[in-house]
Amino acid sequence: EADIYQTPRYLVIGTGKKITLECSQTMGHDKMYWYQQDPGMELHLIHYSYGVNSTEKGDLSSESTVSRIRTEHFPLTLESARPSHTSQYLCASSEEGFLGDEQYFGPGTRLTVT
Amino acid sequence: AQSVTQLGSHVSVSEGALVLLRCNYSSSVPPYLFWYVQYPNQGLQLLLKYTSAATLVKGINGFEAEFKKSETSFHLTKPSAHMSDAAEYFCAVSGSSNYKLTFGKGTLLTVNP
Repeated sequence: EADIYQTPRYLVIGTGKKITLECSQTMGHDKMYWYQQDPGMELHLIHYSYGVNSTEKGDLSSESTVSRIRTEHFPLTLESARPSHTSQYLCASSEEGFLGDEQYFGPGTRLTVT
Repeated sequence: AQSVTQLGSHVSVSEGALVLLRCNYSSSVPPYLFWYVQYPNQGLQLLLKYTSAATLVKGINGFEAEFKKSETSFHLTKPSAHMSDAAEYFCAVSGSSNYKLTFGKGTLLTVNP
């Protein structure tokens, strides 16, 4: 069973607020990922990390930023939330090495910006 | 470059009927293929994966998928649908050197009593 956690699960905030979505995993995985998911659409990779102090932008441009100071922790920050940021955000992690290693997903954070 | 196409955004079956969810992929390198399931308000859970061993892959909950290179397909099947199978199913491919997954748009499976 995957041990990857996301908080909060649901968040409703006003425009202009700064928010941080938390993601933690207890599996010791080096690789971590953030996806954005809208209803009826595929998951889009917005950030990934191959280890501590390593972060890269994904395929979908995002105004969010991430950090990786500890192996187990990969928070995502929006400095000034806008209604266009309303979406579900999924965090995932995978082991080092084999390309066929699956990604383990957290339960997601559903963000609504009013 | 790689991509995934899932044919049918919504599939509806009766309980006990065959489930067939279609996935076609495009990859410039030998692919690794995955099927994930997502229940409402939850993250994605791995059903099964193909990593160049057996072409018929068995997964959890009675699902299986067959890798067909000539058809660039990786369709998901289950002989007999159960009400608990109602969920969204995503096909994904990786094969480049950077461990990233490319997902299809998903297929919502409805199971009717």
